[in-house]
Amino acid sequence: SYELTQPPSVSVSPGQTARITCSGHTLPKEHVYWYQQKAGQAPVQVIRKDSERPSGIPERFSGSSSGTTVTLTISGVQAEDEADYYCQSADSSGTCRVFGGGTKLTVL
Amino acid sequence: QVHLVESGGDMVQPGRSLRLSCAASGFTFIRYTMHWVRQAPGKGLEWVAMMSFDESDKYYADSVKGRFTISRDNSKNTLYLQMNSLRAEDTAVYYCARENIFDSGISNGLDVWGQGTTVTVSS
Repeated sequence: SYELTQPPSVSVSPGQTARITCSGHTLPKEHVYWYQQKAGQAPVQVIRKDSERPSGIPERFSGSSSGTTVTLTISGVQAEDEADYYCQSADSSGTCRVFGGGTKLTVL
Repeated sequence: QVHLVESGGDMVQPGRSLRLSCAASGFTFIRYTMHWVRQAPGKGLEWVAMMSFDESDKYYADSVKGRFTISRDNSKNTLYLQMNSLRAEDTAVYYCARENIFDSGISNGLDVWGQGTTVTVSS
């Protein structure tokens, strides 16, 4: 089955920039969405359609794409950003959805 | 306010069945594609199933195909997941989520999620 690949973990100090990548062969033609999940809570969408920020999401969250890799960037990381982050897209048929394995962001 | 509230989670024995419900409020339910996503203990998110706004399309993950059935009652603003032949590996928190797919085919992704309901499959 189709998979999206994320690094298991990323660590940054407060105020630094965190970059979380997501790779998959369908990404040049399928949009990617990013979700933040804090411990014990439901996921929250932080980026839609590769680079759009939903209402209420801080400006420090941004997304970009290049070929088969998309990147979630968190500028000026704050302690409250510590969470698991998941990318999501569609499979090659464009119908079934797929999530990346998730990246644990640790704020040192 | 926009809300999704899941219910129906329980502890069941392997091979048994369970039906989950997801009650929607605060938005026009019939306009949205709906999904079930699950998360096994200590694991990542796994997409399970989806149903289009008009019930014309439904798709499943390979791991549940033939055992799970997604349905919706637009008159009751409710999404369902019928789970049969449950296995230990189906143990997870099950979330429902909405997706707005525009006429162009472009989607805003899963923009609202419920808090989840827990299913435990164990003898």
